[in-house]
Order: sequence, then structure tokens, then C-alpha cells
Amino acid sequence: GIQVEQSPPDLILQEGANSTLRCNFSDSVNNLQWFHQNPWGQLINLFYIPSGTKQNGRLSATTVATERYSLLYISSSQTTDSGVYFCAVGRGPPRKLVFGAGTILRVKS
Amino acid sequence: EAQVTQNPRYLITVTGKKLTVTCSQNMNHEYMSWYRQDPGLGLRQIYYSMNVEVTDKGDVPEGYKVSRKEKRNFPLILESPSPNQTSLYFCASSLYFANEQFFGPGTRLTVL
Repeated sequence: GIQVEQSPPDLILQEGANSTLRCNFSDSVNNLQWFHQNPWGQLINLFYIPSGTKQNGRLSATTVATERYSLLYISSSQTTDSGVYFCAVGRGPPRKLVFGAGTILRVKS
Repeated sequence: EAQVTQNPRYLITVTGKKLTVTCSQNMNHEYMSWYRQDPGLGLRQIYYSMNVEVTDKGDVPEGYKVSRKEKRNFPLILESPSPNQTSLYFCASSLYFANEQFFGPGTRLTVL
């Protein structure tokens, strides 16, 4: 099955700093999403981005499908950005999202 | 508001007592799925459904049942829960599989 690797596993930032999270995947996909899991455990959709570039406020994402990686950029980080960031990919069948292990982000004030 | 809802959000139960976790979506989505999240093991798919009356096993279906009698609902049934089913459970839905999936708020289940 598809393998998903996220890096770095852990990241500590000072408030206001920028960061880049990476997601590598082992096969072609037709679904790629980035999620933020908040301290209450909820999975928040950030981007649906099987290819191309998208931006939403301080966050942006780029997926280079031909090279099998995706990047999540967080600019001017805030303490509320803390949590776990997951990349998930899919191609059917089997019809499931395969999640990476996540990046734990801690933003200090 | 477009959303996926799950109930209950928190549940503590005992071994062997049948329970159902409900999942409902109001987006007219065809595809629905259940995942469990465990420390060190990440999120794993339990079951999924491509449409009404069409369900299939995911990676960890043992000990679970599902049904899809209506498009909007996809309940997860634990007929005889065991402590190894203590986990955080998520329901998800999307228009079709390859579209953006939306997750419910999660159900924290503890089986004593």
C-alpha cells in the first residue's frame, strides 16, 4: 500500500516564526489533504490539494504530484497553531485515506 | 451548516455491553467511512461505504459492524466491546472517495 512520511516529527517555534512541513508519499494519488488536529482531538480540514498550490490566510500548501510530495507552509505562527498536522493521501481502490504519522507543532509565546 | 455529527462524543462502558456510535452528514455525500486513532498506530480505517447498502472492510474491521440504510447515516456498532477497542473514533464523508473528506468531531470510547 501507499506509504506516507511526514517531516519533521516535532517542531518548536517562537511565535511569529515561519515553518515548512513536508509530506512524501510512495505512489500516485488522487486525494491529498492536510489536517490540523487541535488539543481537543478534532481534525480540522486545512487543504484538499492533490496537485497545485493553494493559500488560506497565513497557511499555504503545494503538492508536486509528479515528484510525490506536498508542503505545508505556516507563516507568522501563533500559539493557536499548536497541535498535530497530518497529511493524508488516497487512491482508490482501496478507498481509504492513508495518514502520515503527523508533525507535532508547538508554538511558544 | 454543512457538517458531520457523531454521538456520543464521550462514552465509558464495560466489556460485552453492545453499543452504537451514530454518524450523520447533511451534505448528501455518497462516501462515508470510520477510522480509529490510537497512540503510536495513527489513524486506521475500520469500514467504509460507497453508497446506500454498499459497505466494505477497511484495515481493522474485527469486532465492528456497520450499516448504510440511508445516505446520511452510517452507524458503527460494537456488539461485544473489549478493552482493546478503547480509542478515538472518527466518522468521515465526501461526495465521492476522491473528493475532500470531512471528519466528525470524534468519539472517545473507553471500554473497561
